[in-house]
Amino acid sequence: KNQVEQSPQSLIILEGKNCTLQCNYTVSPFSNLRWYKQDTGRGPVSLTIMTFSENTKSNGRYTATLDADTKQSSLHITASQLSDSASYICVVSARNDYKLSFGAGTTVTVRA
Amino acid sequence: GAGVSQSPSNKVTEKGKDVELRCDPISGHTALYWYRQSLGQGLEFLIYFQGNSAPDKSGLPSDRFSAERTGGSVSTLTIQRTQQEDSAVYLCASSLAHGGGTEAFFGQGTRLTVV
Repeated sequence: KNQVEQSPQSLIILEGKNCTLQCNYTVSPFSNLRWYKQDTGRGPVSLTIMTFSENTKSNGRYTATLDADTKQSSLHITASQLSDSASYICVVSARNDYKLSFGAGTTVTVRA
Repeated sequence: GAGVSQSPSNKVTEKGKDVELRCDPISGHTALYWYRQSLGQGLEFLIYFQGNSAPDKSGLPSDRFSAERTGGSVSTLTIQRTQQEDSAVYLCASSLAHGGGTEAFFGQGTRLTVV
């Protein structure tokens, strides 16, 4: 069964600090992995996509990594800002399955 | 449409009443997902549609929950005899479905409050 596990469930960090979110998956055969950001009261929006051949990709202060061998991805937030307070959701797709697999998300709270 | 549209955006209902939540996916998206987020909880899978059929409805929490999709487009999630624990944000997402997957686009969600 294709599964996606995210950790931690939630975290609180001070403004300006860095943090790293984890996503482990059992989806196979792997096609791609997306990280989404969900601001409060809004629907999730795609931040970045990682394909099998990519190890790291940046989008501003967000950097995603992928280790396809260990089936792990991380999302690193650098110099956090109050606007980074949101839920971050990992979604993985398989090459032979139309159905996407969603993680439960990590809620990040950035405090001044 | 331009994006995934959900209605209503907010719904307050009395315990025991039935509610219907609607999702209009992006035109042409054959895959449709319903999820919910309870306060302080993560995304919880409810049901997945491929066209009008639901190959995975394993996440529906009880027989009070049902969903249908017609014309490969609009989907309705129905909750009968609502309970307070049904209070949550119900999210809908759609995607083009082809081998290898693609981006899921989410609606804004329906915030359901059962009083």
